[in-house]
Amino acid sequence: EIELTQSPGTLSLSPGERATLSCRASQSVSSRFLAWYQQKPGQAPRLLMYSTSIRATGIPDRFSGSGSGTDFTLTISRLEPEDFAVYYCQQYGTFGGGTKVEIK
Amino acid sequence: QAQLVQSGAEVKQPGASVQVSCQASGYTFSNYGLVWVRQAPGQGLECMGWISVFNGNTNYARKFQGRVTLTTDTSTRSGYMELRSLRSDDTAVYYCALMTTVTTSFDHWGQGTLVTVSS
Repeated sequence: EIELTQSPGTLSLSPGERATLSCRASQSVSSRFLAWYQQKPGQAPRLLMYSTSIRATGIPDRFSGSGSGTDFTLTISRLEPEDFAVYYCQQYGTFGGGTKVEIK
Repeated sequence: QAQLVQSGAEVKQPGASVQVSCQASGYTFSNYGLVWVRQAPGQGLECMGWISVFNGNTNYARKFQGRVTLTTDTSTRSGYMELRSLRSDDTAVYYCALMTTVTTSFDHWGQGTLVTVSS
């Protein structure tokens, strides 16, 4: 069974800064099946990216995804106040442990 | 716009069973799978399994096999998750979500149902 490891566990940044989140798979996965989610406290997760690099409906273009094989990245080019949240990567039935992006 | 509305919070005793429902609207019901994900307090997301609305095929996470059953009712556009032999560590928010089978991404989510297991 594939494991997904996200790093860092917590990212402390200021609004306007760039955020780079990593998701590493224990074995090579198809980029077609790698997705990212955002979750805010008390809310359900929301799909951000699917197939590694395709933004879901309504997701602003400051969010981008890249990667292949075992290494995938979610980048937020300039953090807005509403972007401070927890982010999860997912492949089939496996989620990464999450990265919390908090205000520095 | 697809929408999923889940049933309300539940409190159960250890050893009991719970059933959570998920009512779908705003899309062709059989075009997606239904996946169930849970989140224990302060923890990450854990996938329990999914069901094809089209043909009823199920895929359960190994951890939950034998203890969970996923079903759908196309006449009411509803999905159901039953978890048996509840333990205190089953206390969690349970989510249903629509799974796009082509990419296996979970496109739309229900609001979540808190299940508390306590004596």
